[in-house]
Amino acid sequence: AQSVTQLGSHVSVSEGALVLLRCNYSSSVPPYLFWYVQYPNQGLQLLLKYTTGATLVKGINGFEAEFKKSETSFHLTKPSAHMSDAAEYFCAVSDHNQGGKLIFGQGTELSVKP
Amino acid sequence: GAGVSQSPSNKVTEKGKDVELRCDPISGHTALYWYRQSLGQGLEFLIYFQGNSAPDKSGLPSDRFSAERTGGSVSTLTIQRTQQEDSAVYLCASSWGRASGATDTQYFGPGTRLTVL
Repeated sequence: AQSVTQLGSHVSVSEGALVLLRCNYSSSVPPYLFWYVQYPNQGLQLLLKYTTGATLVKGINGFEAEFKKSETSFHLTKPSAHMSDAAEYFCAVSDHNQGGKLIFGQGTELSVKP
Repeated sequence: GAGVSQSPSNKVTEKGKDVELRCDPISGHTALYWYRQSLGQGLEFLIYFQGNSAPDKSGLPSDRFSAERTGGSVSTLTIQRTQQEDSAVYLCASSWGRASGATDTQYFGPGTRLTVL
């Protein structure tokens, strides 16, 4: 069975600081990995995804993530946080055999201090 | 173009009543998913449709929950005899549903917040 673990339910950074949100996965097959963001009272929006190919994936709003098979990780980073980045972030793996249903981590709430 | 829409945005009901939640996917998307988001359980998969068929219903928590999809478009999630533990945000997502559906991006609606009193 596939699973996702996000370390840290809440992360706080200062504006302009590096953002690092951690995600580790468990999968018996090559994983397809996603990061979604959820702003208050809104649905989820895709930030980026890894399927195959280049292991460093660039997404929207300056975010990127690197797939590291040896570490079973897919951490999300952004060099310089903006106030507008405050939101909840979800890492997910899709199930190859069940139409691609997403299995989510517990989420990490990002706060950005001025 | 229009994204995924859901209605109602908020629903308050009394324990024991039935509720219907509606999802309008992006036009042309053949795959449709329902998820539930609650404080205690996080984001959980409920059911997946490909066209009008539901090959994966494994996430439905009990037989009080059912869903259908008609015309390969609109989907309705029905909860019968609601319980307080059903209170959550119900999210719908759609995707193109290609053969390798596991790599497709799922586009989410804003959700329906259900409160059972």
